[in-house]
Amino acid sequence: AQSVAQPEDQVNVAEGNPLTVKCTYSVSGNPYLFWYVQYPNRGLQFLLKYITGDNLVKGSYGFEAEFNKSQTSFHLKKPSALVSDSALYFCAVRDFLGNNRLAFGKGNQVVVIP
Amino acid sequence: DTGVSQNPRHKITKRGQNVTFRCDPISEHNRLYWYRQTLGQGPEFLTYFQNEAQLEKSRLLSDRFSAERPKGSFSTLEIQRTEQGDSAMYLCASSLEGLNNEQFFGPGTRLTVL
Repeated sequence: AQSVAQPEDQVNVAEGNPLTVKCTYSVSGNPYLFWYVQYPNRGLQFLLKYITGDNLVKGSYGFEAEFNKSQTSFHLKKPSALVSDSALYFCAVRDFLGNNRLAFGKGNQVVVIP
Repeated sequence: DTGVSQNPRHKITKRGQNVTFRCDPISEHNRLYWYRQTLGQGPEFLTYFQNEAQLEKSRLLSDRFSAERPKGSFSTLEIQRTEQGDSAMYLCASSLEGLNNEQFFGPGTRLTVL
C-alpha cells in the first residue's frame, strides 16, 4: 500500500527566506505525487503534481517541488516565503497500478514569521 | 462558484443518531471521492465513485457508513448510529477520469458527536 511521510510537525521560516517542506513516499511502481495546502476552515487546495517528465515541477503561488526517485522524496519549496504562506501543507501519493485513492501524509504546519 | 460544495458545513449530533452529508462535485467531473480527516492527521480515503458506480471502499468504511451517487452527480454519505469516534471532518473531492488528474476538494463537513 502506498504511504507518505512528512517528518516535521511544524516548519518555521522568516518572511523572505526559502521555505522547504519535506515529503518521502512509499509506493509500488511509479508514483503520482501531489501537494495540497489547507487554510483554516477551508478545504484542501491543489498546489502541484508530478506525473512524469522533468523532476522539477512548478505550481501555484510560486511553489515548486523536486522529485527524487533514488531518495523517494518530493520536497516542496518556495524561494521566498510570504506571511500568507502560513498554512497546513499535505503531500499525497497515488500508485501507478490503478489505485484511485490518494494517501496523504499527516501534514506540516508552516509558520512564516514577519 | 463552480467548485466542490458540501452541506452542511457543520453538524452536531448525539450518539446513536443518523446523519447524512451531501456533496456536489464540479459538474464535468465523473469521479467523486470521500475522505475523513481527524485533528492532526491527513485525510484518509473512505470511498470513490465513477459516475454512479461505487468502485472502491476503504476498510475504514464500516457497515454503519453508506454512500450513494444515484444519478452520477451529487453524492450523499450517511452514518447510522453515530459514535463519538465518528467525530471528524468529512471531505469530498472530485476529478476527471485518469490517474494523473488532481482531485479538487470541497470545504468539508465537520461532524461532532456528543
